[in-house]
Amino acid sequence: DTGVSQNPRHKITKRGQNVTFRCDPISEHNRLYWYRQTLGQGPEFLTYFQNEAQLEKSRLLSDRFSAERPKGSFSTLEIQRTEQGDSAMYLCASSLGDRGFGEQYFGPGTRLTVT
Amino acid sequence: DAKTTQPNSMESNEEEPVHLPCNHSTISGTDYIHWYRQLPSQGPEYVIHGLTSNVNNRMASLAIAEDRKSSTLILHRATLRDAAVYYCILRTQGGSEKLVFGKGTKLTVNP
Repeated sequence: DTGVSQNPRHKITKRGQNVTFRCDPISEHNRLYWYRQTLGQGPEFLTYFQNEAQLEKSRLLSDRFSAERPKGSFSTLEIQRTEQGDSAMYLCASSLGDRGFGEQYFGPGTRLTVT
Repeated sequence: DAKTTQPNSMESNEEEPVHLPCNHSTISGTDYIHWYRQLPSQGPEYVIHGLTSNVNNRMASLAIAEDRKSSTLILHRATLRDAAVYYCILRTQGGSEKLVFGKGTKLTVNP
């Protein structure tokens, strides 16, 4: 399977704990995106990398959230001191952005439940 | 970010055509119209995009109004597998890389 993969698929954690999610993009894609989706809403943009550089961050990305993409390959999204409001589906996408629009290919998501 | 308006839900019968509308009255000249869909329990997937002319691909057709203030995604023969939430998104050439999703249109396909 050469699509975008995300791990874990589900995560249940207690409030106050730290969690980390991983995203493996399609191998030749240089752009990687994180989105968050709550029930009944469309996905909301969190952040975007071109290779290893984080080029855009949403105001939704509070200082408890950090994302990395070492060596421009896989990416991790860490949430520190989780809160119940962090419960959501976290989606990763990748694209090949050379010129014009690269369509974004999404992974299946990681569903986070904070109890 | 330019705004789009879509009906909350639509219903169709299997093997019939479906026309999903999108209004974008504040669209600018450099905004492309993109459609993504999200099947149940999956991430969104790209469907089609266009600027001014109508576009066709293996999944769907995109009809764009002459004034570009509205567009319609056309599924020529709906199948049960087309039941999904369909999102109409404007993307500005040279602008932000992010996709700005609204609530989309939930399409139900009846057998």
